Amino acid sequence: DTGVSQDPRHKITKRGQNVTFRCDPISEHNRLYWYRQTLGQGPEFLTYFQNEAQLEKSRLLSDRFSAERPKGSFSTLEIQRTEQGDSAMYLCASSLTGVRYEQYFGPGTRLTVT
Amino acid sequence: AQSVTQLGSHVSVSEGALVLLRCNYSSSVPPYLFWYVQYPNQGLQLLLKYTTGATLVKGINGFEAEFKKSETSFHLTKPSAHMSDAAEYFCAVSERGNQGGKLIFGQGTELSVKP
Repeated sequence: DTGVSQDPRHKITKRGQNVTFRCDPISEHNRLYWYRQTLGQGPEFLTYFQNEAQLEKSRLLSDRFSAERPKGSFSTLEIQRTEQGDSAMYLCASSLTGVRYEQYFGPGTRLTVT
Repeated sequence: AQSVTQLGSHVSVSEGALVLLRCNYSSSVPPYLFWYVQYPNQGLQLLLKYTTGATLVKGINGFEAEFKKSETSFHLTKPSAHMSDAAEYFCAVSERGNQGGKLIFGQGTELSVKP
């Protein structure tokens, strides 16, 4: 069990550019979640998948945001036409339904939009 | 809609003193309850959870929390603070019946430990 991994750990981009983040969950976990955390705040839910199906999206997730989990394993989160307000830590978590409900978090990707 | 309130954005204690971090939730049905800890520039680590059964739950690093339905609370305690406990602590809830689902977090409480 290697834990949840995220790549990259840090990303600096210019306003208007597109960025993509990757999350690799714990291998046997069927659920994968994305959260966004701004400085001094608790994480806010963005979206989650069960296997490859995207089951819920927050209304925080504008049309510029898209997430995929094509084979039910890793997931990508893409932000198009980044804005300065997108600067945040993007956290990924995974969990296993059926017995245990806790989510295990990755180290996060810190995005800075200049 | 579910919500979580953590009273006190900053708590400071002396090393060896009791730690008490407060969490209250708002939900029509008691949710699943969690406490997570976050060290600077890191992800969140689960301290403990309550889903069913005994209302006093013990977690890692000597922390425990008690679910009190009548008070809609899930306060986190530790009898004796250690310098290494300095971090940000988040209380979170998820909907009962959806095998968890999304977490709703409180604003967080930053714990400082003075020598």
